Amino acid sequence: GAVVSQHPSWVICKSGTSVKIECRSLDFQATTMFWYRQFPKQSLMLMATSNEGSKATYEQGVEKDKFLINHASLTLSTLTVTSAHPEDSSFYICSARDEWTSGFYNEQFFGPGTRLTVL
Amino acid sequence: SQQGEEDPQALSIQEGENATMNCSYKTSINNLQWYRQNSGRGLVHLILIRSNEREKHSGRLRVTLDTSKKSSSLLITASRAADTASYFCATDTGFQKLVFGTGTRLLVSP
Repeated sequence: GAVVSQHPSWVICKSGTSVKIECRSLDFQATTMFWYRQFPKQSLMLMATSNEGSKATYEQGVEKDKFLINHASLTLSTLTVTSAHPEDSSFYICSARDEWTSGFYNEQFFGPGTRLTVL
Repeated sequence: SQQGEEDPQALSIQEGENATMNCSYKTSINNLQWYRQNSGRGLVHLILIRSNEREKHSGRLRVTLDTSKKSSSLLITASRAADTASYFCATDTGFQKLVFGTGTRLLVSP
């Protein structure tokens, strides 16, 4: 099956620093990748959709200058949390979709998530 | 908010019992998907049901979809302790995005 990895799996940083999270599709080409945020015991909230080679589309209320997304290749998307603050602490999950196999049914393959803690 | 709602929020049962969780959504959909999430982990895709389907089975899972009521249910039969997890429904409205429900936390006790 399709595998998506995330790195790092967890990160602790000081307030004001920037953190980069990588999302990779290991055995397929991801034409589209999605970034979600999940607070404890809550659901996933979509932050942005990124298509390879073009700018990401952010959901309403998500600061694009705060959460920089780069989908530079068909197997890698990165999320950079800039000038992180304690309120950015959360579980960040990416997913990837291969247009050619997902087709109409939008099957997404999820990474294992990255837990970010900002002190 | 477009987010769907699930009930119950939490469900505690004994091994061997059946677990039923419900999902309601707000807009027309192409399909509805169910995912499982173990604590602190990523999501695992369980089953997808298309808008023109009413019921689907996969192993111990049974999913129903009622588009007139904008609702779906997930039934897990003969539950096991390993089924302990959070379960989310997600709707695909045709714009690539998935909108997740609020989730049901299932606890299966041995």
